[in-house]
Amino acid sequence: DAKTTQPNSMESNEEEPVHLPCNHSTISGTDYIHWYRQLPSQGPEYVIHGLTSNVNNRMASLAIAEDRKSSTLILHRATLRDAAVYYCILRALHIDKLIFGTGTRLQVFP
Amino acid sequence: GAGVSQSPSNKVTEKGKDVELRCDPISGHTALYWYRQSLGQGLEFLIYFQGNSAPDKSGLPSDRFSAERTGGSVSTLTIQRTQQEDSAVYLCASSLGREYEQFFGPGTRLTVL
Repeated sequence: DAKTTQPNSMESNEEEPVHLPCNHSTISGTDYIHWYRQLPSQGPEYVIHGLTSNVNNRMASLAIAEDRKSSTLILHRATLRDAAVYYCILRALHIDKLIFGTGTRLQVFP
Repeated sequence: GAGVSQSPSNKVTEKGKDVELRCDPISGHTALYWYRQSLGQGLEFLIYFQGNSAPDKSGLPSDRFSAERTGGSVSTLTIQRTQQEDSAVYLCASSLGREYEQFFGPGTRLTVL
């Protein structure tokens, strides 16, 4: 399975944008880039996913490098509720399970 | 609408006892997954059910672990002869199919004394 590399932790202030990086230099052509987050004492929740083009939804934006070897999850205005562990996951089209790494723990300060 | 529910929310058991953990997926979701999250291992996949297909059991750590899904809906994860290293939060997720986002339940925290 292709691996991802994320910083262990990041900090942000409330209402500031947050850019969470993910490196995946061994990504294959059929790997989708998924992001999930896990709030304290809860199960993970889906955030966004993409293949090649940048993606936007109500929660976040996903910027994918042209060579697909890295991507960035963008939270446009961080809130205290965005404090969570963010997981960047590569998922091939034919693979059903999610393989979680250690993720990035995001702290948001008021 | 109702999300994925799991019961019990907490389970404390003695080493050597059997435990059953239950998952109620979102109605209409054909895919169901079990994961566990422990301090030492992070979040790891256990087993996957899709419709009437044979389940993907590749993540089950030992033959003490088994799971079934009755009627394509509710699933039960059974751990026989529990060991202390089985202590973890067991998470269930469901989705419309393997290419769709997974919705996770709140988990069952299992403590083996």
